[in-house]
Amino acid sequence: NAGVMQNPRHLVRRRGQEARLRCSPMKGHSHVYWYRQLPEEGLKFMVYLQKENIIDESGMPKERFSAEFPKEGPSILRIQQVVRGDSAAYFCASSPPSGGSTDTQYFGPGTRLTVL
Amino acid sequence: QKEVEQDPGPLSVPEGAIVSLNCTYSNSAFQYFMWYRQYSRKGPELLMYTYSSGNKEDGRFTAQVDKSSKYISLFIRDSQPSDSATYLCAMKSGFQKLVFGTGTRLLVSP
Repeated sequence: NAGVMQNPRHLVRRRGQEARLRCSPMKGHSHVYWYRQLPEEGLKFMVYLQKENIIDESGMPKERFSAEFPKEGPSILRIQQVVRGDSAAYFCASSPPSGGSTDTQYFGPGTRLTVL
Repeated sequence: QKEVEQDPGPLSVPEGAIVSLNCTYSNSAFQYFMWYRQYSRKGPELLMYTYSSGNKEDGRFTAQVDKSSKYISLFIRDSQPSDSATYLCAMKSGFQKLVFGTGTRLLVSP
């Protein structure tokens, strides 16, 4: 039973380029969360999505960042015009479709973004 | 003030020691409390999940929640070198997003 999958695992971009991070949730999971981890800091919530819906994007920067979870295919976190401060590890988590408060979030291995 | 405070460590102990890891929090709405383990350059792995105050035991791990003091703990008995990792506390209210501590780096020496 495959866990949460993320790709690429490492991504290098130059300032001004676009970064696309992909997340495939665990089989049977329909809720996806994105978190960002800066060096020496804990994980910070960015966005919570269900299929074709953004449920909570309160942690997402207002500009340059967007996320989607289409009916088919993986969830995508997109960062336009990257800057050096975007360098971080980005983690995706998924949870079952019940949507209950007690649902556990399972994390993927992360994508490490480096902006040159 | 951060919503969740956690000492970053590192915490160094000899093999076989009992380890105590702690977090304090300020938001009284938090009801669900988790501990994740994160090895270097890996994703967080869920260790313990507790609801409300009390203790929960799973093998060598015991999670403790004291909501009156806004304080949670993770105890690791008979620590092993393979327990060397960063331990993240996380919590949430009825909403889905998790709020994490900064993590405590644990080093268990043989």
